[in-house]
Amino acid sequence: GEDVEQSLFLSVREGDSSVINCTYTDSSSTYLYWYKQEPGAGLQLLTYIFSNMDMKQDQRLTVLLNKKDKHLSLRIADTQTGDSAIYFCAEKDYGQNFVFGPGTRLSVLP
Amino acid sequence: DGGITQSPKYLFRKEGQNVTLSCEQNLNHDAMYWYRQDPGQGLRLIYYSQIVNDFQKGDIAEGYSVSREKKESFPLTVTSAQKNPTAFYLCASRHGGNGFTEAFFGQGTRLTVV
Repeated sequence: GEDVEQSLFLSVREGDSSVINCTYTDSSSTYLYWYKQEPGAGLQLLTYIFSNMDMKQDQRLTVLLNKKDKHLSLRIADTQTGDSAIYFCAEKDYGQNFVFGPGTRLSVLP
Repeated sequence: DGGITQSPKYLFRKEGQNVTLSCEQNLNHDAMYWYRQDPGQGLRLIYYSQIVNDFQKGDIAEGYSVSREKKESFPLTVTSAQKNPTAFYLCASRHGGNGFTEAFFGQGTRLTVV
């Protein structure tokens, strides 16, 4: 079945850039997503990218997609303490269900 | 305001008891989902429903049951057959179709077996 993988932890200093990486297996995915989860809460959509795009930028967020390698990354510029959260990569499978990665816990150090 | 509401936020269950987690949405979404979240394991799909009166098992359906009698509601029952039910449960919904869709999540229910 489809699988989405991410590293589990990332620590950065406030003001630095954060890069969260993700690999996926379903080459037919048309959309790939990044969700953010704050402690004790549900997930919120942060950004997404259509599969025929290589890059999408939205303010401090940059999403890069390498379809050949099935690799997705999320770059957060000028990382702030409020960015500390768990970030989930997700794809939509052939059955139109979302498949989530294990989540990357981002810690922002002062 | 449209949204998806889960209740209760915290739930305690004695061993051997069934409990039901509520999920209601007023987004007019066709599809609804239940996920279980454990530390370091991400979200695992328990059940999903693409349309009223129909639902399908996800990856970890054993010990759980659902119903979808109304479009707005998708309750999850954690039965006594679920051996390790302590977890954070998330409900989500999305509108139908093959184009871009976003999954909207509730705030979650933390279930603890005591």
